[in-house]
Amino acid sequence: DSGVTQTPKHLITATGQRVTLRCSPRSGDLSVYWYQQSLDQGLQFLIQYYNGEERAKGNILERFSAQQFPDLHSELNLSSLELGDSALYFCASSVATSGSLVTQYFGPGTRLTVL
Amino acid sequence: GENVEQHPSTLSVQEGDSAVIKCTYSDSASNYFPWYKQELGKRPQLIIDIRSNVGEKKDQRIAVTLNKTAKHFSLHITETQPEDSAVYFCAASGNSGYSTLTFGKGTMLLVSP
Repeated sequence: DSGVTQTPKHLITATGQRVTLRCSPRSGDLSVYWYQQSLDQGLQFLIQYYNGEERAKGNILERFSAQQFPDLHSELNLSSLELGDSALYFCASSVATSGSLVTQYFGPGTRLTVL
Repeated sequence: GENVEQHPSTLSVQEGDSAVIKCTYSDSASNYFPWYKQELGKRPQLIIDIRSNVGEKKDQRIAVTLNKTAKHFSLHITETQPEDSAVYFCAASGNSGYSTLTFGKGTMLLVSP
């Protein structure tokens, strides 16, 4: 157990819908990262937050957004869902944003299925 | 941005053999290189990492080597066991001031008894 929690574990929804994925980082970690893992795409970095502020953006679609709250949990919002958004979504956390303390610990993931 | 290439995509070995997975990266400023193991349907788990001021690191049957000049790093697993079967991902963290990781596409390691 990495100490990172994600809910829900599974999510099944229809095209055009909107969903929210939730992540709680390890105790003491200030950085949260979101990744998308599809079968043919490996682990794609989406976005990073540090202590409530957006720090880095990867291949995140405009239909997707995220935020980190004062208690440091983070939510990833996916809207106007398409079949191709079906994937495993992982959250990871780390203590800092740079320097030596950049080890990322992954949560168990949320499996999103769009029908 | 950073680009990480990982080879091979699939590796089959017999139990007890050694396995080597290789990665190359493009950003010479990258300074942190973790390896993750992911079992089917599970989260990626950090198994070993190396920082750019070190050339080699070992942890029991696992070792990682880094060649900064050639911009490549490798994972070595000795005395492989069936429970080593999983997908292994390498990653590189650039020196942009932020700790984002760029992952390779993964290597599926199959260890046959």
